[in-house]
Amino acid sequence: DGGITQSPKYLFRKEGQNVTLSCEQNLNHDAMYWYRQDPGQGLRLIYYSQIVNDFQKGDIAEGYSVSREKKESFPLTVTSAQKNPTAFYLCASSLADSYEQYFGPGTRLTVT
Amino acid sequence: GESVGLHLPTLSVQEGDNSIINCAYSNSASDYFIWYKQESGKGPQFIIDIRSNMDKRQGQRVTVLLNKTVKHLSLQIAATQPGDSAVYFCAENIPSGTYKYIFGTGTRLKVLA
Repeated sequence: DGGITQSPKYLFRKEGQNVTLSCEQNLNHDAMYWYRQDPGQGLRLIYYSQIVNDFQKGDIAEGYSVSREKKESFPLTVTSAQKNPTAFYLCASSLADSYEQYFGPGTRLTVT
Repeated sequence: GESVGLHLPTLSVQEGDNSIINCAYSNSASDYFIWYKQESGKGPQFIIDIRSNMDKRQGQRVTVLLNKTVKHLSLQIAATQPGDSAVYFCAENIPSGTYKYIFGTGTRLKVLA
Protein backbone atom coordinates (compact mmCIF):
# COMPACT_ATOMS: atom_id res chain seq x y z
CA ASP A 1 0.00 0.00 0.00
CA GLY A 2 1.69 3.21 -1.15
CA GLY A 3 1.12 6.44 0.64
CA ILE A 4 2.05 8.93 3.29
CA THR A 5 1.83 8.10 6.97
CA GLN A 6 1.85 10.49 9.86
CA SER A 7 2.07 9.46 13.45
CA PRO A 8 0.64 9.76 15.91
CA LYS A 9 -2.86 10.90 14.95
CA TYR A 10 -3.27 12.78 18.24
CA LEU A 11 -0.46 14.21 20.34
CA PHE A 12 -0.61 16.01 23.65
CA ARG A 13 2.24 17.97 25.19
CA LYS A 14 2.87 20.38 27.99
CA GLU A 15 3.96 23.90 27.19
CA GLY A 16 7.74 24.25 27.07
CA GLN A 17 8.38 20.79 25.64
CA ASN A 18 9.68 20.10 22.17
CA VAL A 19 7.75 17.51 20.19
CA THR A 20 8.55 15.72 16.94
CA LEU A 21 5.91 14.74 14.39
CA SER A 22 6.64 11.89 12.05
CA CYS A 23 6.04 11.84 8.29
CA GLU A 24 6.99 8.88 6.11
CA GLN A 25 6.24 8.23 2.44
CA ASN A 26 6.83 5.20 0.26
CA LEU A 27 5.82 6.89 -2.99
CA ASN A 28 9.44 7.55 -3.96
CA HIS A 29 8.64 11.26 -4.04
CA ASP A 30 11.48 13.74 -4.04
CA ALA A 31 9.71 16.67 -2.44
CA MET A 32 8.07 16.81 0.96
CA TYR A 33 6.16 19.56 2.74
CA TRP A 34 4.82 20.45 6.16
CA TYR A 35 1.67 22.54 6.58
CA ARG A 36 -0.26 23.82 9.51
CA GLN A 37 -4.06 24.04 9.46
CA ASP A 38 -6.02 26.25 11.85
CA PRO A 39 -9.79 26.83 12.04
CA GLY A 40 -10.97 29.35 9.48
CA GLN A 41 -7.61 29.58 7.72
CA GLY A 42 -6.08 28.02 4.66
CA LEU A 43 -3.12 25.68 4.94
CA ARG A 44 0.10 27.49 5.68
CA LEU A 45 3.51 26.19 4.64
CA ILE A 46 6.01 25.63 7.44
CA TYR A 47 8.96 23.96 5.69
CA TYR A 48 9.58 22.11 2.46
CA SER A 49 12.30 19.94 1.05
CA GLN A 50 12.88 19.26 -2.62
CA ILE A 51 15.77 16.86 -2.15
CA VAL A 52 17.47 14.86 0.56
CA ASN A 53 19.69 16.87 2.91
CA ASP A 54 18.16 20.15 1.77
CA PHE A 55 15.12 22.09 3.00
CA GLN A 56 13.76 25.62 2.92
CA LYS A 57 11.63 27.72 5.22
CA GLY A 58 8.05 28.27 4.29
CA ASP A 59 5.84 31.15 5.35
CA ILE A 60 5.64 30.33 9.06
CA ALA A 61 8.88 28.53 9.94
CA GLU A 62 9.54 30.30 13.23
CA GLY A 63 9.49 27.90 16.16
CA TYR A 64 9.78 24.81 13.96
CA SER A 65 12.68 22.71 12.68
CA VAL A 66 12.98 19.84 10.20
CA SER A 67 15.49 17.36 8.86
CA ARG A 68 15.64 15.37 5.64
CA GLU A 69 18.23 12.67 6.10
CA LYS A 70 16.31 10.08 4.09
CA LYS A 71 14.16 10.48 0.99
CA GLU A 72 11.16 8.82 2.62
CA SER A 73 11.21 10.72 5.92
CA PHE A 74 10.66 14.37 6.84
CA PRO A 75 10.13 14.81 10.60
CA LEU A 76 8.94 18.12 12.01
CA THR A 77 9.94 19.34 15.46
CA VAL A 78 7.70 21.84 17.16
CA THR A 79 9.93 23.67 19.61
CA SER A 80 9.04 25.54 22.76
CA ALA A 81 9.70 28.74 20.81
CA GLN A 82 6.51 28.26 18.79
CA LYS A 83 4.04 30.60 20.46
CA ASN A 84 0.84 28.90 19.40
CA PRO A 85 1.62 25.27 18.59
CA THR A 86 -1.84 23.74 18.97
CA ALA A 87 -3.01 22.93 15.44
CA PHE A 88 -3.58 20.22 12.87
CA TYR A 89 -0.32 19.41 11.06
CA LEU A 90 -0.29 18.00 7.56
CA CYS A 91 2.59 16.47 5.66
CA ALA A 92 2.58 16.20 1.87
CA SER A 93 4.86 14.90 -0.84
CA SER A 94 5.22 15.21 -4.59
CA LEU A 95 7.37 14.11 -7.46
CA ALA A 96 10.06 16.54 -8.53
CA ASP A 97 8.67 19.08 -10.99
CA SER A 98 5.10 18.07 -10.23
CA TYR A 99 2.29 20.31 -9.13
CA GLU A 100 0.33 17.55 -7.47
CA GLN A 101 0.90 17.10 -3.76
CA TYR A 102 -0.35 14.06 -1.87
CA PHE A 103 -1.30 14.60 1.74
CA GLY A 104 -0.96 12.41 4.78
CA PRO A 105 -3.79 11.93 7.31
CA GLY A 106 -2.50 14.62 9.67
CA THR A 107 -1.49 14.89 13.31
CA ARG A 108 -3.53 16.92 15.75
CA LEU A 109 -1.19 18.48 18.30
CA THR A 110 -2.56 19.94 21.52
CA VAL A 111 -0.25 21.86 23.81
CA THR A 112 -1.51 22.87 27.24
CA GLY B 1 -9.58 17.79 11.64
CA GLU B 2 -12.91 18.32 13.28
CA SER B 3 -12.25 21.85 14.42
CA VAL B 4 -10.94 22.92 11.01
CA GLY B 5 -14.51 23.13 9.77
CA LEU B 6 -15.59 25.70 12.34
CA HIS B 7 -16.36 29.19 11.04
CA LEU B 8 -16.50 28.04 7.41
CA PRO B 9 -19.27 28.95 4.99
CA THR B 10 -21.63 26.03 4.53
CA LEU B 11 -23.44 24.86 1.44
CA SER B 12 -26.36 22.52 2.06
CA VAL B 13 -27.53 20.50 -0.94
CA GLN B 14 -30.19 17.87 -1.37
CA GLU B 15 -28.91 14.45 -2.34
CA GLY B 16 -29.02 14.07 -6.10
CA ASP B 17 -28.85 17.80 -6.80
CA ASN B 18 -25.83 19.54 -8.28
CA SER B 19 -23.44 21.50 -6.05
CA ILE B 20 -21.43 24.56 -6.94
CA ILE B 21 -18.60 25.65 -4.68
CA ASN B 22 -16.80 28.90 -5.36
CA CYS B 23 -13.32 30.21 -4.71
CA ALA B 24 -11.80 33.63 -5.29
CA TYR B 25 -8.07 33.44 -5.82
CA SER B 26 -5.62 36.16 -5.05
CA ASN B 27 -2.95 36.46 -7.72
CA SER B 28 -3.48 37.09 -11.41
CA ALA B 29 -0.12 35.42 -12.11
CA SER B 30 -1.26 32.08 -10.68
CA ASP B 31 -0.95 29.45 -13.38
CA TYR B 32 -2.26 26.27 -11.81
CA PHE B 33 -5.16 25.48 -9.51
CA ILE B 34 -6.29 22.47 -7.51
CA TRP B 35 -9.50 21.58 -5.72
CA TYR B 36 -9.16 19.46 -2.60
CA LYS B 37 -11.73 17.57 -0.54
CA GLN B 38 -11.11 17.16 3.17
CA GLU B 39 -13.22 14.91 5.35
CA SER B 40 -13.35 15.41 9.07
CA GLY B 41 -10.12 14.39 10.79
CA LYS B 42 -8.37 13.45 7.54
CA GLY B 43 -5.86 14.89 5.14
CA PRO B 44 -6.94 16.67 1.94
CA GLN B 45 -7.62 14.58 -1.16
CA PHE B 46 -6.91 15.82 -4.67
CA ILE B 47 -10.12 16.14 -6.72
CA ILE B 48 -9.29 17.96 -9.92
CA ASP B 49 -6.84 20.49 -11.27
CA ILE B 50 -6.76 23.09 -14.04
CA ARG B 51 -4.07 25.15 -15.70
CA SER B 52 -4.48 28.83 -16.42
CA ASN B 53 -4.60 28.25 -20.19
CA MET B 54 -7.91 26.42 -19.76
CA ASP B 55 -11.41 27.63 -18.86
CA LYS B 56 -12.97 24.32 -17.99
CA ARG B 57 -11.95 20.80 -17.08
CA GLN B 58 -14.13 17.83 -16.41
CA GLY B 59 -13.58 14.77 -14.31
CA GLN B 60 -15.86 12.08 -13.06
CA ARG B 61 -18.94 13.92 -11.71
CA VAL B 62 -16.84 17.05 -11.16
CA THR B 63 -16.15 20.07 -13.31
CA VAL B 64 -13.85 22.97 -12.58
CA LEU B 65 -14.42 26.36 -14.20
CA LEU B 66 -11.80 29.09 -14.27
CA ASN B 67 -12.59 32.75 -14.89
CA LYS B 68 -9.30 34.61 -15.03
CA THR B 69 -10.97 37.97 -15.64
CA VAL B 70 -12.44 38.03 -12.16
CA LYS B 71 -9.98 35.59 -10.56
CA HIS B 72 -12.68 33.06 -9.78
CA LEU B 73 -12.69 29.30 -9.64
CA SER B 74 -15.67 27.04 -9.17
CA LEU B 75 -16.17 23.35 -8.52
CA GLN B 76 -19.34 21.72 -9.76
CA ILE B 77 -20.34 18.33 -8.39
CA ALA B 78 -23.06 16.53 -10.30
CA ALA B 79 -25.66 14.37 -8.58
CA THR B 80 -24.29 15.06 -5.12
CA GLN B 81 -24.06 12.03 -2.84
CA PRO B 82 -23.80 11.69 0.95
CA GLY B 83 -20.15 10.71 0.54
CA ASP B 84 -19.47 14.14 -0.94
CA SER B 85 -20.04 15.76 2.45
CA ALA B 86 -16.72 17.38 3.37
CA VAL B 87 -14.81 20.64 3.34
CA TYR B 88 -13.67 21.71 -0.13
CA PHE B 89 -10.91 24.21 -0.73
CA CYS B 90 -8.97 25.53 -3.66
CA ALA B 91 -5.23 26.08 -4.00
CA GLU B 92 -3.42 28.38 -6.41
CA ASN B 93 0.16 28.05 -7.52
CA ILE B 94 2.06 31.23 -8.15
CA PRO B 95 5.00 30.78 -10.50
CA SER B 96 8.02 31.18 -8.27
CA GLY B 97 10.36 28.39 -9.26
CA THR B 98 8.95 26.22 -6.49
CA TYR B 99 5.72 24.31 -6.11
CA LYS B 100 4.24 26.49 -3.41
CA TYR B 101 0.57 27.19 -3.02
CA ILE B 102 -1.86 29.63 -1.49
CA PHE B 103 -4.77 27.69 -0.02
CA GLY B 104 -8.30 28.91 0.38
CA THR B 105 -10.13 28.62 3.67
CA GLY B 106 -12.72 26.23 2.34
CA THR B 107 -16.46 25.62 2.14
CA ARG B 108 -18.28 22.92 4.04
CA LEU B 109 -20.64 20.89 1.85
CA LYS B 110 -23.53 19.18 3.64
CA VAL B 111 -25.57 16.70 1.69
CA LEU B 112 -29.13 16.33 2.92
CA ALA B 113 -30.82 12.96 2.55
